Amino acid sequence: AAGVIQSPRHLIKEKRETATLKCYPIPRHDTVYWYQQGPGQDPQFLISFYEKMQSDKGSIPDRFSAQQFSDYHSELNMSSLELGDSALYFCASSLYQRTSGRALDGELFFGEGSRLTVL
Amino acid sequence: KNQVEQSPQSLIILEGKNCTLQCNYTVSPFSNLRWYKQDTGRGPVSLTIMTFSENTKSNGRYTATLDADTKQSSLHITASQLSDSASYICVVSPFSGGYNKLIFGAGTRLAVHP
Repeated sequence: AAGVIQSPRHLIKEKRETATLKCYPIPRHDTVYWYQQGPGQDPQFLISFYEKMQSDKGSIPDRFSAQQFSDYHSELNMSSLELGDSALYFCASSLYQRTSGRALDGELFFGEGSRLTVL
Repeated sequence: KNQVEQSPQSLIILEGKNCTLQCNYTVSPFSNLRWYKQDTGRGPVSLTIMTFSENTKSNGRYTATLDADTKQSSLHITASQLSDSASYICVVSPFSGGYNKLIFGAGTRLAVHP
């Protein structure tokens, strides 16, 4: 079965450079979530999209932006990179549970993650 | 105090043995509790998801239990295999909010030795 695809899997950038991470959700999933996981830390929610519209915003720095495109894939754009941005970035997707009216009862599928290293 | 606490922090067992991982939470009210397996440097993989009304859920050699009264959950792994070596993360969803509100436990790092 198709899973959440993230690219690139590894990325090395210099300070102050920009980076773009891509996420392709599971087919027919309408919600996408981005998480950042620092070394030895819990995943921190960054931002989410439902039906191509931003649905919620977490601890995402102003230097970061994201969007979801018509084909439901999402991109996380990071500018003016700092050393502290080095982390694993996970994308997750799910299908909004229309019967319950909530997304959180459904399965949440994570991608393999993109490891960003800022030098 | 963390809202989701897991124990033990790490565990070493021999291949073929069983083990049980614990998760205590204070999140209330909550919608569901999930167990994920995360290999180092990889994305978490869902093992089980239980709503507050469920007591047990199995997925192959993995069996999760939930006691909503005592706010405790456990993940039992039967006949462990070397590939079970990973971090096991307990994640609780508060009743209100979506996946932006997921509360992750720190995980239990399991090492299965031959």
